[in-house]
Amino acid sequence: DVKVTQSSRYLVKRTGEKVFLECVQDMDHENMFWYRQDPGLGLRLIYFSYDVKMKEKGDIPEGYSVSREKKERFSLILESASTNQTSMYLCASSLFGRGTDTQYFGPGTRLTVL
Amino acid sequence: DAKTTQPPSMDCAEGRAANLPCNHSTISGNEYVYWYRQIHSQGPQYIIHGLKNNETNEMASLIITEDRKSSTLILPHATLRDTAVYYCIVRPMNYGGATNKLIFGTGTLLAVQP
Repeated sequence: DVKVTQSSRYLVKRTGEKVFLECVQDMDHENMFWYRQDPGLGLRLIYFSYDVKMKEKGDIPEGYSVSREKKERFSLILESASTNQTSMYLCASSLFGRGTDTQYFGPGTRLTVL
Repeated sequence: DAKTTQPPSMDCAEGRAANLPCNHSTISGNEYVYWYRQIHSQGPQYIIHGLKNNETNEMASLIITEDRKSSTLILPHATLRDTAVYYCIVRPMNYGGATNKLIFGTGTLLAVQP
């Protein structure tokens, strides 16, 4: 079974702090994603990576950066956390290539910024 | 992604089959039907997907009509742990890039009753 793990289930940070969210997958997937999920807004893509050191902006990259130094690990960084970044953060991974694209999700990190 | 329509909520008795409908009347020939579910405060879980043939796995069955304009997800013996929001998604074949993002609609809240 595909396993995607995230470093924390719950996190509380203060405004202005630098926040690191870590995601690790064990299925040798090329693609990795960071989404945030908010009530009434559904899933929104923050960043996407299709290979080590490669990244693409999603729909809402402002205030975030990412790092992919190893294939299995994709980190989301909030450079200076703000209250409007309080959300559920979801990491996902999938195989790269033509055909179907099944994304597998981690358990999520519920981040609260005070 | 093509638009899908699902009922906002459904009830099902424990041990009975749960049949969740989805309309996708504008689906294109190269688009797959995917189903995910999300249990409260957890990450989305992949269930099943199909193109035009019916599919079955250890979790569920997917029945797609011949014209592909609608589908039904069947959980054969629902348990209380199947209570979740179920999302029906239509996605094009994977060609790579950030267009791989998932877009969830509002889904169907399935409540399995004891």
